[in-house]
Amino acid sequence: AQTVTQSQPEMSVQEAETVTLSCTYDTSESDYYLFWYKQPPSRQMILVIRQEAYKQQNATENRFSVNFQKAAKSFSLKISDSQLGDAAMYFCAYRGVRRGTYKYIFGTGTRLKVLA
Amino acid sequence: GAGVSQSPRYKVAKRGQDVALRCDPISGHVSLFWYQQALGQGPEFLTYFQNEAQLDKSGLPSDRFFAERPEGSVSTLKIQRTQQEDSAVYLCASSPSGNTEAFFGQGTRLTVV
Repeated sequence: AQTVTQSQPEMSVQEAETVTLSCTYDTSESDYYLFWYKQPPSRQMILVIRQEAYKQQNATENRFSVNFQKAAKSFSLKISDSQLGDAAMYFCAYRGVRRGTYKYIFGTGTRLKVLA
Repeated sequence: GAGVSQSPRYKVAKRGQDVALRCDPISGHVSLFWYQQALGQGPEFLTYFQNEAQLDKSGLPSDRFFAERPEGSVSTLKIQRTQQEDSAVYLCASSPSGNTEAFFGQGTRLTVV
């Protein structure tokens, strides 16, 4: 069975600085998707960034980028130039591509605090 | 609609009461998922529909939990004889098909007292 592990319950970053959130996962599949979701107090899960496992190039979305290490099964999120609005819970998630494996598997989350 | 809509946003139930949580997916989305998110935890999968067919219900924690999507659009998650451990946020997500990005609703926070 697939698992997702986030070992940092809480992280803090100074405004305008850079922070990296860690995520490791386990799967026997060769193709899959990995995601980072942001969940503010409103509870809405907001997609931050997505990585397809067969793509070697790390995904980037503006200030957000990932370091995807497939062999190590590691998928970290880097947030550059942190802003107060980045404060939220961040969840790493895995999803299969084969029929019957579409459900998302989430980690336990990392609470990010941004200090002014 | 513009996004996935869930109602009610908040529900307080007395232990033993039955509850029904509603999810309106994005129009035309074939796939629909339900997740349970306990306080301080990540969402955990409950069940998955493709149109009206419930293809995976492996995450439902007990036979007190029941989900339906009779016309392949709106879905209802029903919990019978609620217990305190059922207190959680229940998230619904929909996607155009199974193998595409899912969009999440804002969830229903259920508190069982």
